[in-house]
Amino acid sequence: AQSVAQPEDQVNVAEGNPLTVKCTYSVSGNPYLFWYVQYPNRGLQFLLKYITGDNLVKGSYGFEAEFNKSQTSFHLKKPSALVSDSALYFCAVRDIQTGANNLFFGTGTRLTVIP
Amino acid sequence: DTGVSQNPRHKITKRGQNVTFRCDPISEHNRLYWYRQTLGQGPEFLTYFQNEAQLEKSRLLSDRFSAERPKGSFSTLEIQRTEQGDSAMYLCASSPSSGHSMNTEAFFGQGTRLTVV
Repeated sequence: AQSVAQPEDQVNVAEGNPLTVKCTYSVSGNPYLFWYVQYPNRGLQFLLKYITGDNLVKGSYGFEAEFNKSQTSFHLKKPSALVSDSALYFCAVRDIQTGANNLFFGTGTRLTVIP
Repeated sequence: DTGVSQNPRHKITKRGQNVTFRCDPISEHNRLYWYRQTLGQGPEFLTYFQNEAQLEKSRLLSDRFSAERPKGSFSTLEIQRTEQGDSAMYLCASSPSSGHSMNTEAFFGQGTRLTVV
């Protein structure tokens, strides 16, 4: 069975500081990993994904994430947070072994960037 | 705006009534997904279409739920005999035809918020 854990419901960071939103996963095979962001009254927006290759992937709005197979983690990072980054962030996984197309989402982490 | 479009945006219905939601995917996206999101939770997968074929269904999709995509373009999700537990945000997403379906990201609509009273 596949699962995603986002251990922090809420992350607060000062504007200009680096931010990290944590994600760990569990799959029976190899994972495809995704990060999405949800702003109020807007749909989920794709940020970045890890499929294969370089463990560090770069995405939209200056975000990046590092795939760590030994720790089964895919933490989202940004070197310098902006107030406009405040939103709800979701990590999601697809299990290659199952062949299923559905994305399995974590429960989300609310990021608040304090001016 | 050429994104995924969902209608209506909000729906309030009495328990026991039937409701139908519509999703118009991004043009030429042949893959379409329905998810349900409740407060404080991440989206939960309901069903997946490739063109008009419904290829995957979650156990969450009880007998009261039915989804169709008759011509491989727009899709409808119907809930019969609604219950208060059906209150949620229903999200539709689509993804491009190119590439393998598993490594392609999905593009989400703004959702339909259902409230069953």
